[in-house]
Amino acid sequence: AQSVTQPDIHITVSEGASLELRCNYSYGATPYLFWYVQSPGQGLQLLLKYFSGDTLVQGIKGFEAEFKRSQSSFNLRKPSVHWSDAAEYFCADPYKLSFGAGTTVTVRA
Amino acid sequence: DVKVTQSSRYLVKRTGEKVFLECVQDMDHENMFWYRQDPGLGLRLIYFSYDVKMKEKGDIPEGYSVSREKKERFSLILESASTNQTSMYLCASSYMGLVSGNTIYFGEGSWLTVV
Repeated sequence: AQSVTQPDIHITVSEGASLELRCNYSYGATPYLFWYVQSPGQGLQLLLKYFSGDTLVQGIKGFEAEFKRSQSSFNLRKPSVHWSDAAEYFCADPYKLSFGAGTTVTVRA
Repeated sequence: DVKVTQSSRYLVKRTGEKVFLECVQDMDHENMFWYRQDPGLGLRLIYFSYDVKMKEKGDIPEGYSVSREKKERFSLILESASTNQTSMYLCASSYMGLVSGNTIYFGEGSWLTVV
């Protein structure tokens, strides 16, 4: 059963605008949480991961995510989106081997 | 760089055929996984393995089996392919110790169409 959920199936954002993708988790203890990105026709690439320590995690490609226990969330953010960020994004709980359903990001010029 | 290689990127098989999907990793990872990916459903775990000759069922094992005779290789087998098994199949691997947040590395996927 899924332990992480992504409420947004599809998000459209203008190039240069900020992006936030939501992820909620249901695990009681401090979870391990990852964000992955999948470009069309490709496998998944790890963007960042959280498993302890600082609640704000920096990742590759200019992404960051913030773990908020009070909201059971681990949202992914990027301050300024590039056209190459168009992809599908997955939140994951590696301990439970569980992935969210994914959020597809479309970037418009 | 870690490499997870899925031998077939695109396959078309007939209903009732036996299908083998092969996966090899080059990082001496203990853990290997098979997921299927479908639109709107994300990734669903079919089987995983923590060691050679060891396997555990995931969330959707029905209609599938696996084989891990060598540490670097993990095969997914569809004994009798059906049209509802048309999907993208992703192989992945990681070091032992998921509790320490080890990265799960993915192959590029195998697109299987069953006609």
